[in-house]
Amino acid sequence: DTAVSQTPKYLVTQMGNDKSIKCEQNLGHDTMYWYKQDSKKFLKIMFSYNNKELIINETVPNRFSPKSPDKAHLNLHINSLELGDSAVYFCASSQAVKYVYEQYFGPGTRLTVT
Amino acid sequence: AQTVTQSQPEMSVQEAETVTLSCTYDTSESNYYLFWYKQPPSRQMILVIRQEAYKQQNATENRFSVNFQKAAKSFSLKISDSQLGDTAMYFCAFMKQVTSGTYKYIFGTGTRLKVLA
Repeated sequence: DTAVSQTPKYLVTQMGNDKSIKCEQNLGHDTMYWYKQDSKKFLKIMFSYNNKELIINETVPNRFSPKSPDKAHLNLHINSLELGDSAVYFCASSQAVKYVYEQYFGPGTRLTVT
Repeated sequence: AQTVTQSQPEMSVQEAETVTLSCTYDTSESNYYLFWYKQPPSRQMILVIRQEAYKQQNATENRFSVNFQKAAKSFSLKISDSQLGDTAMYFCAFMKQVTSGTYKYIFGTGTRLKVLA
């Protein structure tokens, strides 16, 4: 019954490695997002896809590459991980239906780079 | 550019009392939406309440209500009869349309609320 799921929930890896985080939503939403929440809890949008098309691409290092194989999935691949990439990454989805615009968030993935 | 400011990094309130969390925003848009999200220690982001900018009436959801002052660009959250389970980070968020079907959300820096027994 999970609306927005992410895997893994925790990820510990070393600098220089490449890792992916997967996100799936079963709400039938057209739009999905990736956010980064830093150690000070600041939540900042990274990317947004609408029907598999990249719509929002904030100032994010090109080591981060989102991929949307279909509108229910939005994965985040990170190359050459750095210490500063340590954060919690949230996936979210939304759909503009009958003036309801709120986002539904996944449980987050805590990434620790050592 | 839109900004969202939450000027209270931390607050505390006694159980059963009322607390108000402040949020101000800056925008030149006329049509937008505002939200309050709650993030308990479990880190799950949970929608608390939403407000459409074109509505003058303040939104209410059970013990949660907002004071929306559009001219002042203020959107505060009032929690009545505070409960221990209300302990969480609270984020104010501003939403505007980017394209048809895609909306950009800008979050404030959060207010950490602790409800004391």
